[in-house]
Amino acid sequence: GENVEQHPSTLSVQEGDSAVIKCTYSDSASNYFPWYKQELGKRPQLIIDIRSNVGEKKDQRIAVTLNKTAKHFSLHITETQPEDSAVYFCAAEVNSGGYQKVTFGTGTKLQVIP
Amino acid sequence: SAVISQKPSRDICQRGTSLTIQCQVDSQVTMMFWYRQQPGQSLTLIATANQGSEATYESGFVIDKFPISRPNLTFSTLTVSNMSPEDSSIYLCSVGAGSSTDTQYFGPGTRLTVL
Repeated sequence: GENVEQHPSTLSVQEGDSAVIKCTYSDSASNYFPWYKQELGKRPQLIIDIRSNVGEKKDQRIAVTLNKTAKHFSLHITETQPEDSAVYFCAAEVNSGGYQKVTFGTGTKLQVIP
Repeated sequence: SAVISQKPSRDICQRGTSLTIQCQVDSQVTMMFWYRQQPGQSLTLIATANQGSEATYESGFVIDKFPISRPNLTFSTLTVSNMSPEDSSIYLCSVGAGSSTDTQYFGPGTRLTVL
């Protein structure tokens, strides 16, 4: 089955700096890669996603890149703010038996220091 | 995105008892998913619930321990049976929604503590 590795497990940055979180996946059939943000005590919320036919996608301060050949994808957050502090999960989806099966990475706890 | 609610939001249970968690969606969805998130950990898929058929369980999860019902396209339940302290976790349901249904949206979760 799919295996998703995520690094780093914790990340501290100064407010205004950039943060980068990296993930690798094992199943070359994976075709959709969402990123979720989970604040303490809250549900995971989708923040950005990318499909396998796209190399990069940007939404304001957040961008995601995908390298299908190397089977890795990354989340980039620029001009970080204290409200960006949360746990971020990458995920990889593959069609399995007619539905999209999601495998999550292990999570990155991001702390933005004011 | 779909609006998803779960009940109860939290519970404290005694060892050996069972708890049924409900998940309600505001629109009809084909697939519903149940996840477990242990403290400080990632999300692990327990099973996929498809209306009108038996749930599909992931490796390490069995129907006797986690029976699931899916009586219609907007509702599902997960039962945690014969609980032990190791079952203490957050249980979340999710649905595939949006234009492609690839994106999963999560319920608020049920925080379960087993004493």
